[in-house]
Amino acid sequence: DIQMTQSPSSLSASVGDRVTITCRASQSISTYLNWYQQKPGKAPKVLIYAASSLRSGVPSRFSGSGSGTDFTLTISTLQPEDFATYYCQQSYSTPFTFGQGTKLEIK
Amino acid sequence: EVQLVESGGGLVQPGGSLRLSCAASGFTFNNYWMHWVRQAPGRGLVWVSRINSDGSSTTYADSVKGRFTISRDNAKNTLFLQMNSLRAEDTAVYYCARDYDFWTGHLDYWGQGTLVTVSS
Repeated sequence: DIQMTQSPSSLSASVGDRVTITCRASQSISTYLNWYQQKPGKAPKVLIYAASSLRSGVPSRFSGSGSGTDFTLTISTLQPEDFATYYCQQSYSTPFTFGQGTKLEIK
Repeated sequence: EVQLVESGGGLVQPGGSLRLSCAASGFTFNNYWMHWVRQAPGRGLVWVSRINSDGSSTTYADSVKGRFTISRDNAKNTLFLQMNSLRAEDTAVYYCARDYDFWTGHLDYWGQGTLVTVSS
């Protein structure tokens, strides 16, 4: 199975900050990497797919990059509604493993 | 509007069985692969299973292989997860999710989830 490792596990930041979350795969997954946002008590929502494609309706302050084993999710200017938990997920091969999550909290 | 609505969760004793359903609407169900993903209380997301559009191909996480069965009824626009030999570690919210396409494999719509609690 492909292991996905996110860092950091938690992050404190302020509204207006630029934030970067990283995700590393245990083997090359090309660009089969997706990012999800989850708020408490809610289902996850896809933000970025295929490493860098922005899902329709997702604000442009979210961006993704990377290929192979190393990927990043960047939020350019944090907004109050962005405080949530973020997960990466590989869709290169089953099982479609998720990272352990990064909890983004208000500083 | 795409909607996925799970049902069938509840409290079950260890060793018991439960069948989850996911009613789909707002899209052509038989064109899409579907997944189940679970989340234990306070924990992260864990992929469980996937089924192709006509139900002829299924894949499972090792942790549920041989105990869980994914299936679908395209005539009724419904996805199922039959869970047998349940264990305490299967306690989680179970989400059904739509696979946008085979090429990217991202899950573009999710249900609200249904809670399964395995406890005596």
